[in-house]
Amino acid sequence: EVQLVESGGGLVQPGGSLRLSCVASGFTFRSYWMTWVRQAPGKGLEWVANIKHDGSEQSSVASVRGRFAISRDNAKSSLYLQMNSLRAEDTAVYYCARVEGEWSYPYGVDVWGQGTTVTVSS
Amino acid sequence: SYELTQPPSVSVSPGQTARITCSGDGLANEYVYWYQQKPGQAPVVVIFKDSDRPSGIPERFSGSGSGTTVTLTISGVQAEDEADYYCQSADRSNTHWVFGGGTKLTVL
Repeated sequence: EVQLVESGGGLVQPGGSLRLSCVASGFTFRSYWMTWVRQAPGKGLEWVANIKHDGSEQSSVASVRGRFAISRDNAKSSLYLQMNSLRAEDTAVYYCARVEGEWSYPYGVDVWGQGTTVTVSS
Repeated sequence: SYELTQPPSVSVSPGQTARITCSGDGLANEYVYWYQQKPGQAPVVVIFKDSDRPSGIPERFSGSGSGTTVTLTISGVQAEDEADYYCQSADRSNTHWVFGGGTKLTVL
């Protein structure tokens, strides 16, 4: 069974840092682009960042660029999101997701994790 | 990057056909994915690459498009289809993604 399990969420003060992790199982992790998507309370989905199969290429939404970094460890089938200089507006459920299509260009998602909640508040 | 526009809400009676549109300048050249999200749950893909349906998704879900507007059609809507639906596309020039604002489907 294909599975993505996120962890690392929690309550953090503005300006603080958190590192989210996502462990994948049930598929060949190194063959897929991966992505993070977030959802603020009561709001819609927002794409955060993508990373290529081997980590050689990343892209992110303008609002997190310079503060968040996406990375992966294919040996551990794990995806990460390092979040620094956190703001109240970063409060959201963060979903780890697999990009559809082995070795494919990142067009969209075919598998989602259950999400981990990040709350930025003093 | 560009924006994707969806109607905030669509309401239909059981057994009727629901159509949810998604509009954006880049859609003429990019694939669209549709996701269903029920309260308290993670999203689920119901249509990928404009019109393909993943295994396990009922045949009543279909995707179509013309130019800068694409449509998710749910034929013979059932009560269990009540959810939020999001379209999503990619900008191939920079691998950035964009989501539509979401449409709440209410089954009357």
